[in-house]
Amino acid sequence: GAVVSQHPSWVICKSGTSVKIECRSLDFQATTMFWYRQFPKQSLMLMATSNEGSKATYEQGVEKDKFLINHASLTLSTLTVTSAHPEDSSFYICSALGQTEAFFGQGTRLTVV
Amino acid sequence: AQKVTQAQTEISVVEKEDVTLDCVYETRDTTYYLFWYKQPPSGELVFLIRRNSFDEQNEISGRYSWNFQKSTSSFNFTITASQVVDSAVYFCALSEWSGNTPLVFGKGTRLSVIA
Repeated sequence: GAVVSQHPSWVICKSGTSVKIECRSLDFQATTMFWYRQFPKQSLMLMATSNEGSKATYEQGVEKDKFLINHASLTLSTLTVTSAHPEDSSFYICSALGQTEAFFGQGTRLTVV
Repeated sequence: AQKVTQAQTEISVVEKEDVTLDCVYETRDTTYYLFWYKQPPSGELVFLIRRNSFDEQNEISGRYSWNFQKSTSSFNFTITASQVVDSAVYFCALSEWSGNTPLVFGKGTRLSVIA
């Protein structure tokens, strides 16, 4: 079946550095992917909608210059957390819409130290 | 605006008990989708079910069953004869019918099944 692969599954980085997270749809094309963030013991909150070949649409309160999204192909979207700070530590999950359901990546646990 | 409410933050049950997780939603759309996902400690979201708003039939899948009541805007999830492996956070979610929109999640219910 359709699968969305997200890498890395976890990453620890120093404050001030940038981290890139990849989200790939493995056997289907996804013109739209979504990026969610989940803080500990909280729900998934939509950060942005990634559209292939165009600029991402960000939710209110999400800094587009900090969370750079690139959707260069129909199977790949990337989220780059720039100049990461400890408050950016969270679980990031991508999602791509298939024909019958929304498929989620495995998630990336980011820890900024 | 769409909203999903899972009033139960945490539930603990003893193994083999039945447990029902509540989900109430709000939407102005007449057509929409409802979902349940399981999130084990690993963090990955496990898809359990998708239900469209036209179909109010209850569904059973093994020990899992879902009760969709459009009149009360509820989509409750019951686990029969719970097992320790059922321990996880369960999310109810809602999306528009158009198919190109993100899911709106409830806050989740943390289920602990004690042996």
